[in-house]
Amino acid sequence: DSGVTQTPKHLITATGQRVTLRCSPRSGDLSVYWYQQSLDQGLQFLIQYYNGEERAKGNILERFSAQQFPDLHSELNLSSLELGDSALYFCASSVDAGGSGSGGTDTQYFGPGTRLTVL
Amino acid sequence: DAKTTQPPSMDCAEGRAANLPCNHSTISGNEYVYWYRQIHSQGPQYIIHGLKNNETNEMASLIITEDRKSSTLILPHATLRDTAVYYCIVTIMEYGNKLVFGAGTILRVKS
Repeated sequence: DSGVTQTPKHLITATGQRVTLRCSPRSGDLSVYWYQQSLDQGLQFLIQYYNGEERAKGNILERFSAQQFPDLHSELNLSSLELGDSALYFCASSVDAGGSGSGGTDTQYFGPGTRLTVL
Repeated sequence: DAKTTQPPSMDCAEGRAANLPCNHSTISGNEYVYWYRQIHSQGPQYIIHGLKNNETNEMASLIITEDRKSSTLILPHATLRDTAVYYCIVTIMEYGNKLVFGAGTILRVKS
């Protein structure tokens, strides 16, 4: 158990709908990362938040958005869903955004994921 | 744009050591080598990381060559539960960094 929790575990919805995935980081972690794993693309970084602010962006679609709340949990919002959005969505957390405070390393710990199926 | 090369698959007998190689010939001086594994669609699990010295923890050992262009993850006594996809990642892991996953190595531990 990594200490990162994600809800729900499974989500089935229809095309055109909107869903929200939730992530609670490990106690004390300030950074949250979102990754998508689809069959044809592998694990891909979507976005990172650090202490409520967006830090880095990957190949995240404009239909997707995220935020991190004052209690440090994060939500990933997926809208206008398409069949191709079916995937596993993982959240990871780390102590901070790296830099000198972590000695140049900042290990990310992953949650169990949310499996999204768009029909 | 993964910066590592790993064999697509490997087999290992249960109870034997599993040695998983990784090439990272373009690694820069401030990049760390990280290993994660993913067991059957579960969340990736952190295993170990290192900069230039060999590292060992309760899960595995990491051997990094002197020129840092390659490394080997060693699972000393593989069990069936070690069957997974193993990812070798090089990263600075600094401010705003991301993990770039390649295809990894599928390790099959057989009885």
